[in-house]
Amino acid sequence: QKEVEQDPGPLSVPEGAIVSLNCTYSNSAFQYFMWYRQYSRKGPELLMYTYSSGNKEDGRFTAQVDKSSKYISLFIRDSQPSDSATYLCAMSGGGSYIPTFGRGTSLIVHP
Amino acid sequence: GAVVSQHPSWVICKSGTSVKIECRSLDFQATTMFWYRQFPKQSLMLMATSNEGSKATYEQGVEKDKFLINHASLTLSTLTVTSAHPEDSSFYICSARQTSGVYNEQFFGPGTRLTVL
Repeated sequence: QKEVEQDPGPLSVPEGAIVSLNCTYSNSAFQYFMWYRQYSRKGPELLMYTYSSGNKEDGRFTAQVDKSSKYISLFIRDSQPSDSATYLCAMSGGGSYIPTFGRGTSLIVHP
Repeated sequence: GAVVSQHPSWVICKSGTSVKIECRSLDFQATTMFWYRQFPKQSLMLMATSNEGSKATYEQGVEKDKFLINHASLTLSTLTVTSAHPEDSSFYICSARQTSGVYNEQFFGPGTRLTVL
C-alpha cells in the first residue's frame, strides 16, 4: 500500500459543477496537508494547505482534513474550464518537512 | 509569491551526452532545494534534497554519479544528467523551500522536459 493514495481519474465535469477531489493516507504522523494544481507541462503551484484536522476555505476552494479517517478532500465550487488541470495532494509531518505526493487527479471541466 | 525559474524549459540531446539543468530562486534565498522527476500521468518522485554548501542527499535508488547536483549559492542549484540515455527522458522539476513561520512552503519551478534520442 502506498503512503498516499489518489485516484488518477480523469474526472470530467460540466462547467459550474461542484468538484470533489480526495486522497487517503496511511501515515498517522502527517500533520501538514497540501493541494497543488499542475497544468500540463508546468510545475505544480500550491493551492491550499491545512494544518491538522479541519476545514479551510479560499474563494471557490475548500480543503478538508479528517485525520481520524486519514482522508483529505478538496472541493471546487462553480468549476470553470480554467480549472482543468491535475490536482496533487501532498502531506508531511512526523519530523520531516519533505512532502509525500499523491499521483494526482486529472480534472477536465467542459463548457 | 516566491518565484522559481528553471533553464532550459526543454532540451533534446543525443544518447551519451551530459545535460545541465539550472534552478534559481528569483526573489528569495533558498537554503534547501529539491529535485523531482515526473513521468506522464505519474506523481512527483523526489530524487534528491540539495542544501546550500553541502552534498546533496539522494533518495534510495537514485544514482548520485549519474545525477550530479550542485547547490553553490542560496539562489542556484544545478542538476547534471551525465551520459544521458533514452530512459532518462522525463520531466524534471525543482523546488525551493522558503523558511517562514511554522510551515515551510516549497515553490516549484516550471520544469524541464528532457528528451534523449
